[in-house]
Amino acid sequence: GEDVEQSLFLSVREGDSSVINCTYTDSSSTYLYWYKQEPGAGLQLLTYIFSNMDMKQDQRLTVLLNKKDKHLSLRIADTQTGDSAIYFCAERDAGNKLTFGGGTRVLVKP
Amino acid sequence: DVKVTQSSRYLVKRTGEKVFLECVQDMDHENMFWYRQDPGLGLRLIYFSYDVKMKEKGDIPEGYSVSREKKERFSLILESASTNQTSMYLCASSPSSAPRNEQFFGPGTRLTVL
Repeated sequence: GEDVEQSLFLSVREGDSSVINCTYTDSSSTYLYWYKQEPGAGLQLLTYIFSNMDMKQDQRLTVLLNKKDKHLSLRIADTQTGDSAIYFCAERDAGNKLTFGGGTRVLVKP
Repeated sequence: DVKVTQSSRYLVKRTGEKVFLECVQDMDHENMFWYRQDPGLGLRLIYFSYDVKMKEKGDIPEGYSVSREKKERFSLILESASTNQTSMYLCASSPSSAPRNEQFFGPGTRLTVL
């Protein structure tokens, strides 16, 4: 079946940029998503990108998609302590099913 | 404001018990989903439903069943709970018509089976 991989952990200093990477295997992906999960809470959609786009920017968030390499990244500019959370990438296939990565725990140090 | 609620935040049950996890959404969404979340494994889809009384198996349906008698309510049932079903359970809903098919998540139920 489809597979989505992420690194487990990222540590970054407040004010620096964070980059979270994700790879996926499904070539029929239509949308790719980034979700954020804060402690004790459910998942919240941060941003998404349509599979025919290369880049999407939304305030401090930049999503880059390399469809050839099946590589997705999320860059958070000027990382704040409130950005500490688990970030999940997910891909949606042609049948509208979402497959999630294992999540990257981001720790922002003051 | 969009809302998905789950009946319990924390639940402790014994092996062999029948367990019901309830999820309610107030957005009139057609699609509803049950996932379990385990460290390092991300979210894995157990079952989903795209209409009342309709259900489809996800990636890990074994040991679970679901019920969708009303559009707003989707229940996950563990017929005979086992210790390997200790996990965080997340419910989500999404509309069929939205182009990006965003899923809205509840806060989760942390189930411990002793």
